[in-house]
Amino acid sequence: EAGVTQFPSHSVIEKGQTVTLRCDPISGHDNLYWYRRVMGKEIKFLLHFVKESKQDESGMPNNRFLAERTGGTYSTLKVQPAELEDSGVYFCASSQDTEGDSNYGYTFGSGTRLTVV
Amino acid sequence: AQKITQTQPGMFVQEKEAVTLDCTYDTSDQSYGLFWYKQPSSGEMIFLIYQGSYDEQNATEGRYSLNFQKARKSANLVISASQLGDSAMYFCAMRALLYGQNFVFGPGTRLSVLP
Repeated sequence: EAGVTQFPSHSVIEKGQTVTLRCDPISGHDNLYWYRRVMGKEIKFLLHFVKESKQDESGMPNNRFLAERTGGTYSTLKVQPAELEDSGVYFCASSQDTEGDSNYGYTFGSGTRLTVV
Repeated sequence: AQKITQTQPGMFVQEKEAVTLDCTYDTSDQSYGLFWYKQPSSGEMIFLIYQGSYDEQNATEGRYSLNFQKARKSANLVISASQLGDSAMYFCAMRALLYGQNFVFGPGTRLSVLP
C-alpha cells in the first residue's frame, strides 16, 4: 500500500508569504496528525483529525496556522503569514487506531522542510 | 504531562559493534507505549520498535531491542552489530494507549557509525 505522502518536500518562502503544505494519508486511515520539528528542537504535536473533524488542535502555535481536511481524505496546513520561527520540518502521520490501544506507531510521511527567509 | 529525555545528543559507534541509546520518560498514564523511530538524512520517520507499559518481556525486532526498566522509567534502544546504514537521528517517543492520543518525542540522538 502507498505510504503517507507529503508535498512539497521542500519549500523556501519569504517572511510574510503564505505556504500550504499537503498530506495524503494512507487510504482508509481516519486519524491524521500534524507534527513539526522547529530549529532542531523536539518534534511537537500540532493537531489531530478524525476524518474531517479536528479532534485536538491544542498544539497549534497561533492563528497563523490553519489546518483543513475536507472530505476526510487529504489534509492541508496553511501558514499565513509565515514568520522566520516557522522554519522547520512538518510531519504528517496517519493511523487506523480504531480500538484505541494500537500497539504500533503511526505511519509518518517524509516531512516538508519549510524555510522562511 | 508526558516527557521524554534523551541525554545523548550524539553518539559514535564502530561498525559491527553494539550501541545503546538512552531514553527516560515521565508520565502519569497507567497504560502507555514507548516507541523508537529512526530518521535518516532522507527525512522520513521509520518505526523501529514498540514496548507496551504492561509488557513483561523486552521487545526485540531483528537487530533492535528495547531495554525496558519500568521502575526506572527508562526505555533504552540497543542496536546490535551496527551497520553504516544505521547512521541517523533516533527519536524515543511515547503515547498513552487511548484512542487518538498523540506522541510526545524526545530531542533525539544522532548516531554515527564509523567504518
